[in-house]
Amino acid sequence: EAQVTQNPRYLITVTGKKLTVTCSQNMNHEYMSWYRQDPGLGLRQIYYSMNVEVTDKGDVPEGYKVSRKEKRNFPLILESPSPNQTSLYFCASSIGQGKSSYEQYFGPGTRLTVT
Amino acid sequence: AQSVTQPDIHITVSEGASLELRCNYSYGATPYLFWYVQSPGQGLQLLLKYFSGDTLVQGIKGFEAEFKRSQSSFNLRKPSVHWSDAAEYFCAVGAYGNKLVFGAGTILRVKS
Repeated sequence: EAQVTQNPRYLITVTGKKLTVTCSQNMNHEYMSWYRQDPGLGLRQIYYSMNVEVTDKGDVPEGYKVSRKEKRNFPLILESPSPNQTSLYFCASSIGQGKSSYEQYFGPGTRLTVT
Repeated sequence: AQSVTQPDIHITVSEGASLELRCNYSYGATPYLFWYVQSPGQGLQLLLKYFSGDTLVQGIKGFEAEFKRSQSSFNLRKPSVHWSDAAEYFCAVGAYGNKLVFGAGTILRVKS
């Protein structure tokens, strides 16, 4: 089954404790992206990757890091989480070519709470 | 910069009634437009998309949307709502860097 998976689905942590949210897709997609969803704001892009070893900032990159060492994986790293990073996070992927690149498949989401 | 406005935060309709969710976008050229649905506790599922051509597009689950350039709108419609349609709906426009710019979402409640 074609899918985007994220782990963990739920995470409660404390301020300053480094964490990683994993994202993996099995569709051989070139493009991957991270979004955060906050009430009243919709989804906002954090980082994206056009292909292996190619990443770039989205609209809200502060406090986050990413890496793309393999095509299928795109982990999101919070090196020193703060309470304002409490949010629902989505990973997405797409073919990455032409207009079809905008047809993004989303993972189930990771709900992060930072206390 | 591209932006999307969904004027209605919440909408309640009776089961079997028709539905229209509003979406207005801001974009200089011909936009790529999308509607996604998010059921409680789930990820986002693509309902339909518009790239070019016929301004009335059909999607899954009986949804359709109409692109109106003169009004910068891409409203989502369904002739008869089912209780299972209760969810949050997001309109989005494609932007530079393969990014999707989302509206704030509209929560649909269906009353029986």
